[in-house]
Amino acid sequence: IAGITQAPTSQILAAGRRMTLRCTQDMRHNAMYWYRQDLGLGLRLIHYSNTAGTTGKGEVPDGYSVSRANTDDFPLTLASAVPSQTSVYFCASSKTTGGSETQYFGPGTRLLVL
Amino acid sequence: GENVEQHPSTLSVQEGDSAVIKCTYSDSASNYFPWYKQELGKRPQLIIDIRSNVGEKKDQRIAVTLNKTAKHFSLHITETQPEDSAVYFCAASIRGSTLGRLYFGRGTQLTVWP
Repeated sequence: IAGITQAPTSQILAAGRRMTLRCTQDMRHNAMYWYRQDLGLGLRLIHYSNTAGTTGKGEVPDGYSVSRANTDDFPLTLASAVPSQTSVYFCASSKTTGGSETQYFGPGTRLLVL
Repeated sequence: GENVEQHPSTLSVQEGDSAVIKCTYSDSASNYFPWYKQELGKRPQLIIDIRSNVGEKKDQRIAVTLNKTAKHFSLHITETQPEDSAVYFCAASIRGSTLGRLYFGRGTQLTVWP
């Protein structure tokens, strides 16, 4: 693995189903983030993690949960998907959370909830 | 929290012309201002960034300027080429933030016509 990866690349999901989006980085970055990208709205932060074992809410956390059991992995779970969660999801990581660290993005997961 | 506004939302230029994208921010504590380029179907990638202790930074055809007093920063692309066509996002980060979170503008779709 080189950098940050996400799986699946894309997914069509029935409303009400549970879904976990996976994110893995091999850069030993402490901080990880989940964003959703919708047309005209830019990138909105869903959840973040400053370091393994800690997580926090971003600006649009409702309907999503995360965990950070180790440094490398930061899965995002939709407990019961709804059509408004149709979006492109990007995971990102940065070395620290000092407020001026470059964030590196994964390739994204395109999710369609029907 | 921080509020980042970005203009214009779309920008069309002729190949060889210059392009300028402007962003304003609200929190004077912000000290880090990255710019990301996102090609169609790809992940956002950092193209240039500036910290609050400098007023301008250049990298070949790309430059960023920062006016801390007015709380605005701009991306300048000279001698534009068709491969510069993409969505560009500005962002700001607040000094001392334990989250290190980036506040993104809503993006500018740049089209360079040959």
